[in-house]
Amino acid sequence: DAGVIQSPRHEVTEMGQEVTLRCKPISGHNSLFWYRQTMMRGLELLIYFNNNVPIDDSGMPEDRFSAKMPNASFSTLKIQPSEPRDSAVYFCASSRLAGGPYEQYFGPGTRLTVT
Amino acid sequence: TQLLEQSPQFLSIQEGENLTVYCNSSSVFSSLQWYRQEPGEGPVLLVTVVTGGEVKKLKRLTFQFGDARKDSSLHITAAQPGDTGLYLCAGGGNTGNQFYFGTGTSLTVIP
Repeated sequence: DAGVIQSPRHEVTEMGQEVTLRCKPISGHNSLFWYRQTMMRGLELLIYFNNNVPIDDSGMPEDRFSAKMPNASFSTLKIQPSEPRDSAVYFCASSRLAGGPYEQYFGPGTRLTVT
Repeated sequence: TQLLEQSPQFLSIQEGENLTVYCNSSSVFSSLQWYRQEPGEGPVLLVTVVTGGEVKKLKRLTFQFGDARKDSSLHITAAQPGDTGLYLCAGGGNTGNQFYFGTGTSLTVIP
């Protein structure tokens, strides 16, 4: 089975530009998580979806960040406009929602650099 | 946000040595997970502990969940270079299915 797929793997953009990160969860998983990892702040949960519905977006830094999950096999995280402090590795993870405890499977990440 | 502090932050040891990594919080968690992350990759789940006082072993790795479900430890016996990586603990929320990740411990095992 394919794991969590993220694209692009690397993104370099200029401040003020729009950035869209993409994620395809593991087939059959109905929870999807977006994380951001930096040296200073570690791995932070930004938002997560259950059955395509956003459950908790309290980790989204500010209104410049938005996430969507139009269907069970695709999600996007958008930053508009981007700023240098958004530079980080962004991870997507998915898990099953039935029962617990929940095992999350992470994608390889997207390394974002905003200049 | 439920804060999980890990110690030490960095650890460099010789092959064959033993080590323990700690994960502490003032919050109670429904479960506790440990992940290992290698450079350029996402974290990979090692183990999940659910019951207070629970001990799980995975080859040379021993994981323990604190009796009060607020803390955990990871002990590695006879460390090998392949154990090198970033170790992350993650506490399960008491509502919802999200996990809160710890600050991480970067382990380097020198051959």
